Amino acid sequence: GAGVSQSPSNKVTEKGKDVELRCDPISGHTALYWYRQSLGQGLEFLIYFQGNSAPDKSGLPSDRFSAERTGGSVSTLTIQRTQQEDSAVYLCASSPTQGAAGELFFGEGSRLTVL
Amino acid sequence: KNQVEQSPQSLIILEGKNCTLQCNYTVSPFSNLRWYKQDTGRGPVSLTIMTFSENTKSNGRYTATLDADTKQSSLHITASQLSDSASYICVVRGQTGANNLFFGTGTRLTVIP
Repeated sequence: GAGVSQSPSNKVTEKGKDVELRCDPISGHTALYWYRQSLGQGLEFLIYFQGNSAPDKSGLPSDRFSAERTGGSVSTLTIQRTQQEDSAVYLCASSPTQGAAGELFFGEGSRLTVL
Repeated sequence: KNQVEQSPQSLIILEGKNCTLQCNYTVSPFSNLRWYKQDTGRGPVSLTIMTFSENTKSNGRYTATLDADTKQSSLHITASQLSDSASYICVVRGQTGANNLFFGTGTRLTVIP
């Protein structure tokens, strides 16, 4: 596809369950970001991948959150033992370069609702 | 501390009117500043990028300004349309660090008929 693809678009789960959110970045983009956006709030940085470098995990709110990026392409964000405060839209973005001008291309997001 | 602050938090205007959104930042050293538009239920999309040497740039009815000395940017929307209703997010990129993006919390614009 031409853009960043995220799945699922919507996920409803019960408290305590694990969830996986997937992001397919634009082909050739070396940088990949995950953000969380709670209702009516700004974007909260979660994690950043750049090429083969070690990811910047400084934004992950707890050890229940993890992410991986396989083969420098697809990324999966995993939330274990979900809590109600995890309910939010999770946005993925990719960028063609880490360089100064790199524009972020966002997916449509995955809306997570924890009951 | 690197911060990006936007004002107003929300704004309601009549269709056809103009408006100006503000972004103040403390990010230093500075690389560039982007304005993104986020429609409800969608991901943000870049409207314009401002670099250190640029003072103003237009993209249709959107005009962005940058004063790198005072670390202020504005986004001016001319002859607003209903489709301009969205959140507008200011994102500043620093020059150092692996993850060097700093986000404002956005301005929620509502254009009413």
